[in-house]
Amino acid sequence: DTAVSQTPKYLVTQMGNDKSIKCEQNLGHDTMYWYKQDSKKFLKIMFSYNNKELIINETVPNRFSPKSPDKAHLNLHINSLELGDSAVYFCASSQGQGRPQHFGDGTRLSIL
Amino acid sequence: AQTVTQSQPEMSVQEAETVTLSCTYDTSENNYYLFWYKQPPSRQMILVIRQEAYKQQNATENRFSVNFQKAAKSFSLKISDSQLGDTAMYFCASSLNTGTASKLTFGTGTRLQVTL
Repeated sequence: DTAVSQTPKYLVTQMGNDKSIKCEQNLGHDTMYWYKQDSKKFLKIMFSYNNKELIINETVPNRFSPKSPDKAHLNLHINSLELGDSAVYFCASSQGQGRPQHFGDGTRLSIL
Repeated sequence: AQTVTQSQPEMSVQEAETVTLSCTYDTSENNYYLFWYKQPPSRQMILVIRQEAYKQQNATENRFSVNFQKAAKSFSLKISDSQLGDTAMYFCASSLNTGTASKLTFGTGTRLQVTL
């Protein structure tokens, strides 16, 4: 059984479009995260939610809006997609501070 | 703010040999955690090993072990008896506790190639 699952795995779209990436975890964790991995493989945190409450909000354009309907789901909606948004987006979850974060398989977003 | 530095962009090791990947970090926190994650070509992010900063004993997980030097802020990963399946990007990360979440700061990664 997949612990942290993201959909879709690949997303190809045109500049200016709006798209969403979904994430679900079945580990019973309270905290979920979104990370962005750029073309040079650098990983940077974007957001974190704990039990539906926003905890971490890094310097991310307002076009990115996370939504957590419950503690097992954290979705990422992106408006007006730009070329620079092309990256792999990872969802992760953890239980408690300092505990390992479990990552999904990533969503490769390509903007044409 | 935390920073993590991995000074070896690429490394190569022969199968069955031992290799050490370097990592240094900077933090003003007293209570923090350090991790090594592995990212094979399949793109998955896989936890390799975790170290609690307040523990002096170096963490080990089968063929993987760390050399944690807290005063020097160094956290290197040693892979013994390297296997072809160890070929991957390896990321060092430090964890900063923020309320009820932990913010991971990653290094730039070391690409490890295991050869026959």
